Amino acid sequence: QVPLQESGPGLVRPSETLSLTCTVSGYSINSVYYWGWIRQPPGKGLEWIGSIYHSGSTYSNPSLESRLTISVDTSKNHFSLKLSSVTAADTALYYCARGGFGSYHAFDIWGQGTMVTVSS
Amino acid sequence: DIQMTQSPSSLSASVGDRVTITCRASQSIRSYLNWYQQKPGKAPNLLIYAASTLHSGVPSRFSGSGSGTDFTLTISSLQPEDFATYYCQQSYSTPRTFGQGTRLEIK
Repeated sequence: QVPLQESGPGLVRPSETLSLTCTVSGYSINSVYYWGWIRQPPGKGLEWIGSIYHSGSTYSNPSLESRLTISVDTSKNHFSLKLSSVTAADTALYYCARGGFGSYHAFDIWGQGTMVTVSS
Repeated sequence: DIQMTQSPSSLSASVGDRVTITCRASQSIRSYLNWYQQKPGKAPNLLIYAASTLHSGVPSRFSGSGSGTDFTLTISSLQPEDFATYYCQQSYSTPRTFGQGTRLEIK
């Protein structure tokens, strides 16, 4: 059982909304962790997108904040990302990850990642 | 935003070598510094958190040190499976930021 699994369309048209879900297995999404999204453009480094805490509080990268929504569905034990008005610059491998307070907020478990291409 | 700068950007070394990678923060992050290893086609794996605490299951040849603005990741004796890209990341404040990465290659 994979602890974190991303899912969503692999191709999104420019100006549309990118929607991804991270399904959490083996842990309650309501537990004492927080949950995050990180992306990696092809051949480049890692960029933090945002995080959501079990309290429902969210924190977003200011560079994406105006286009970003992160939410949690406790009934399905998953959390989601929506990024609106996408452009080619949003093409990347998107990872979901678990953050631990006991590990100084490091991301200690990562999903396998899902590639999203923005193209018409 | 806190800028994280790693050096070197790439490094060639041989099996058995001792290797050190440096990460500098643009302001003090106390000990909120984490190190990740990423192999091609794979998600990053947490190696060290809180600057010097080895994550569960990580071999003891990896070690971290530093506080404030200057940090190091050391691999005491490189093994073939250690050739990868390494990232530092600060978890002191949002936005969380990563270093640009250090690619460790076989000499």
